[in-house]
Amino acid sequence: SQQGEEDPQALSIQEGENATMNCSYKTSINNLQWYRQNSGRGLVHLILIRSNEREKHSGRLRVTLDTSKKSSSLLITASRAADTASYFCATDAGTASKLTFGTGTRLQVTL
Amino acid sequence: DAGVIQSPRHEVTEMGQEVTLRCKPISGHNSLFWYRQTMMRGLELLIYFNNNVPIDDSGMPEDRFSAKMPNASFSTLKIQPSEPRDSAVYFCASSLAGTGYEQYFGPGTRLTVT
Repeated sequence: SQQGEEDPQALSIQEGENATMNCSYKTSINNLQWYRQNSGRGLVHLILIRSNEREKHSGRLRVTLDTSKKSSSLLITASRAADTASYFCATDAGTASKLTFGTGTRLQVTL
Repeated sequence: DAGVIQSPRHEVTEMGQEVTLRCKPISGHNSLFWYRQTMMRGLELLIYFNNNVPIDDSGMPEDRFSAKMPNASFSTLKIQPSEPRDSAVYFCASSLAGTGYEQYFGPGTRLTVT
């Protein structure tokens, strides 16, 4: 079963606006990762945040993690049409390599 | 680095036929994952291997599905016999073993069973 639930399921914004996606999970984690999937392609890793971190930045991406609420958010600033994709959060726990992926948010950025 | 390689990219077969999907992980990675993605069920982990050994196959739908990893550079996912409900995109991914490592996904195999 999927541990992560993304919210919203779909998001449509105009180029230049910011996009915020949220992820909630159920159990304690070691790390949380965000991935992007362009239509018809495999997932691509974006960023990883560890359970002892609260915020992380990478270029136009900002990720926050609130372990007390078991939630994370991904902010994409100054969005571009090329950001159009589905975004997934993924969590891992214990010592295993296994990731549990969420249901994804479909982002549409229009010109 | 060529990334994770999957073949074939597309497969169309008739119900009852055997289907074999192939994956070559990134050299040096010692974890390999097989996923299935559909609109209805999203992305599902079918099975994963560490150092060529199956660790968790709880996601394998039923006995019709089997996966092998005979060496560190090759894995197969076999469906026999195939059914229309097996139609999906199947992804292979690889990573270093342990927590905190990103997974690298292949381009996927789009399987259509008629």
